[in-house]
Amino acid sequence: EAGVTQFPSHSVIEKGQTVTLRCDPISGHDNLYWYRRVMGKEIKFLLHFVKESKQDESGMPNNRFLAERTGGTYSTLKVQPAELEDSGVYFCASSQGSVYEQYFGPGTRLTVT
Amino acid sequence: QKEVEQNSGPLSVPEGAIASLNCTYSDRVSQSFFWYRQYSGKSPELIMSIYSNGDKEDGRFTAQLNKASQYVSLLIRDSQPSDSATYLCAVRPMDSSYKLIFGSGTRLLVRP
Repeated sequence: EAGVTQFPSHSVIEKGQTVTLRCDPISGHDNLYWYRRVMGKEIKFLLHFVKESKQDESGMPNNRFLAERTGGTYSTLKVQPAELEDSGVYFCASSQGSVYEQYFGPGTRLTVT
Repeated sequence: QKEVEQNSGPLSVPEGAIASLNCTYSDRVSQSFFWYRQYSGKSPELIMSIYSNGDKEDGRFTAQLNKASQYVSLLIRDSQPSDSATYLCAVRPMDSSYKLIFGSGTRLLVRP
């Protein structure tokens, strides 16, 4: 069974540019989560999809971040416009149905210069 | 006060010893508890979940939960150099939410 995949693995952009991160969850997992870890801090929750619906977006930092999961399969996280403080590692995770165990992808390292 | 607290370490143990990793949490209504292992530059890997008070064993790993004292621990028996990694404690805070709140992690070093 393939794990959670994320693309790209690294992205370097300038302040003010737009970046789109993609996550493909484990096949059959209805729940998809986005987290991020900024330098020296804990991994922080951003949002939770159940299929294509946003179940919890309490962790989204501001309206420069837009997450979508059209069709309930893969998800994208767009940052527009990017700011320096957006630099960090963005993790995607998925879980099955009502199961709470979450499985993480390899992450996308975003650097905003 | 952080919601989930861990000693950053490093915790250094000799090969073959028992490594004991601790985590405390602030929200008394927290429901589910997880231990993840993260090697440098890699993704967090789920190694244990625990939901009820007491011990849960899986191979060389034992998770212990004490909800009254609000702590969860992870014991690694017969520690191996390959166990050297950062161990992250994660807590699901309430029944209505699936989000996880992470501690900052404890770095474990197993000396050959």
